[in-house]
Amino acid sequence: EAGVAQSPRYKIIEKRQSVAFWCNPISGHATLYWYQQILGQGPKLLIQFQNNGVVDDSQLPKDRFSAERLKGVDSTLKIQPAKLEDSAVYLCASSLSPQDSYEQYFGPGTRLTVT
Amino acid sequence: AQRVTQPEKLLSVFKGAPVELKCNYSYSGSPELFWYVQYSRQRLQLLLRHISRESIKGFTADLNKGETSFHLKKPFAQEEDSAMYYCALSAYGGYQKVTFGTGTKLQVIP
Repeated sequence: EAGVAQSPRYKIIEKRQSVAFWCNPISGHATLYWYQQILGQGPKLLIQFQNNGVVDDSQLPKDRFSAERLKGVDSTLKIQPAKLEDSAVYLCASSLSPQDSYEQYFGPGTRLTVT
Repeated sequence: AQRVTQPEKLLSVFKGAPVELKCNYSYSGSPELFWYVQYSRQRLQLLLRHISRESIKGFTADLNKGETSFHLKKPFAQEEDSAMYYCALSAYGGYQKVTFGTGTKLQVIP
């Protein structure tokens, strides 16, 4: 089966600019996750979707980050405006259901550099 | 709150030597623990989970509730084991929430 797709793979922007990342999960996977992984740290959950509804966005900096999964399939994560500390790899993952959260399938990630 | 601690950022061992990657967790209930691995230029992927109690690629991990630990072990390291290893915890608090540790880089020296 096709894996989780993410684009772009790399992005360099200046602070205060905006950026958007796209994720297409594995077909049939109801649960979608966005993680932020800063260099030297583990993945930190930003937001979790169940179909097109938000399950957890407690660690999403809502003043600058937003995410949507309108049709319950692919998803977009946006940062506006970006700060230097947003430089990280943004990982998208999906699982069949919330009960299968232990088995998440990860995409290749998008490496964001904010200058 | 759930928390996962991996005390070692880097672990270097010689090929054929035993490996133990440490993981400690804090959670008041009954969590599920697992290990994820990321090989160079590959995606993060599930290695094993404590419930399955199986050996994957020669690795095993036992959940010790008394010590709140879930150390990953392998008796004889291979060069292909070199990778980043993340310990993770899943717990139910209205929904299944997963928390990852900071990761340990395993370097197997030929």
